[in-house]
This record gives sequence, C-alpha cells and structure tokens, in this order.
Amino acid sequence: QVTLKESGPGMVKPTQTLTLTCTFSGFSLKTTRMRVTWIRQPPGKALEWLARIDWDNYKFYSPSLKTRLTVSKDSSKNQVVLTMTNVAPQDTATYYCARVRPDSTGSLDYWGQGTLVTVSP
Amino acid sequence: DIQMTQSPSSLSASVGDRVTITCQASQDVRNYLNWYQQKPGKAPKLLIYDASSLETGVPPKFRGSGSGTFFTFIISSLQPEDTATYYCQQHFDMPYTFGQGTRLEIK
Repeated sequence: QVTLKESGPGMVKPTQTLTLTCTFSGFSLKTTRMRVTWIRQPPGKALEWLARIDWDNYKFYSPSLKTRLTVSKDSSKNQVVLTMTNVAPQDTATYYCARVRPDSTGSLDYWGQGTLVTVSP
Repeated sequence: DIQMTQSPSSLSASVGDRVTITCQASQDVRNYLNWYQQKPGKAPKLLIYDASSLETGVPPKFRGSGSGTFFTFIISSLQPEDTATYYCQQHFDMPYTFGQGTRLEIK
C-alpha cells in the first residue's frame, strides 16, 4: 500500500526558507524508475508542478522557481525534502508530494494529503 | 513551458448527463496527457494517463482521447459524486504543466 504524507511549518515569514518533508511508504526510491514530484496549489487556483527527484538522484525544477528550490532524498528514511528560499506571500499554497507511476515519467498515481503553507509577516 | 488550456472553465450538468471537457496544448505533446479529478479539500486523483488509459480502479464512465495538441475527456452517466474540478496535465516536456481546471457542478 502506497502512502505519502507531507509535513511542514504551516506558517513562515517573508524572506525565510521553507522546508517541507514528504514521508512515504509502499515503495522505495532505491528502486529503479521510482520518482517523486512536488506540486503546489494556491488557494482557489490551479495546480503548479514544482520539482521531481528520481531514484538515481536526477533532479528537475520548474524553470520559474529553479533558483529558489532544492529537492533531496533520504532513501533510507523514505523521505524527500523540498526547500524553498526567500518565500513571499504568493508562495502561500497547499504543497503536495506525489509518486510518479513506475512506467511513466510524469503521471502521478499516489498523492499525499497536502500541507498548507501560509507566508505572512 | 507548454501551456495547457482547458475548456470550459466551469460547467453545470444534471444527473445522468454526459459531459465533455477539452484540453489544448500549445505544442505537440504526443499522447503524454493525463486527467485528474480533485474534490474540494482533497488531493487530486489520477483518472486517465497517456491520453486514453484508464487508471486502475477508475470506472469506465471516464474516458479520454486525443493526441498531439487536442484532447477530450468525457464523463458519462453523471452522479452527484462526480462534482469536482478536473485538470489535464502534459508530461511530454518539463515542467509538466497543468491546465487551469474545469469545475463541474451537478445540478
């Protein structure tokens, strides 16, 4: 049974660094073709693809956020971490992590419940 | 980035109806197109992958088709539980962009 769960601070102040953790079970990022993606959704708005990390530590970032994002993994702990620097109010969103279908590079078959991050002074 | 444009942005239909949502890509994405359902307060759920393949456990009332730049998504025999926002997503070229969503209301 595949599960993912995001955790984070809930609220951060502008200019601070946001750190989010995705803890998963039911699969391993040591396994070939396993990948985890981060997506966010501002309140009332559409989904935005942020970053992906693969079993072989290949990483890809959305070009619009590339300078501010870092994704890493701890395969022994079954965790993926996303950090975002210099946050601003427009980064307020629900942040999701999701597993990529093993036979795909981008179809997201299992999602976490999401964690709401509010950026406010 | 590849732009994904969904139509309509919202629609209202009755129980038992069939509805069609379209998704247009700003460039050719072959068949690398997914459809998700998102109910209020919940995470999205994958319904259709690679334009027309039904995800495991998803009822066949959901159907996708298309390739290249134009895709359609059909829901048949609408039920109240189909109330949701539906998103298309291309996974041909990174970043794997989403459409703006189509909000479906069941009258």
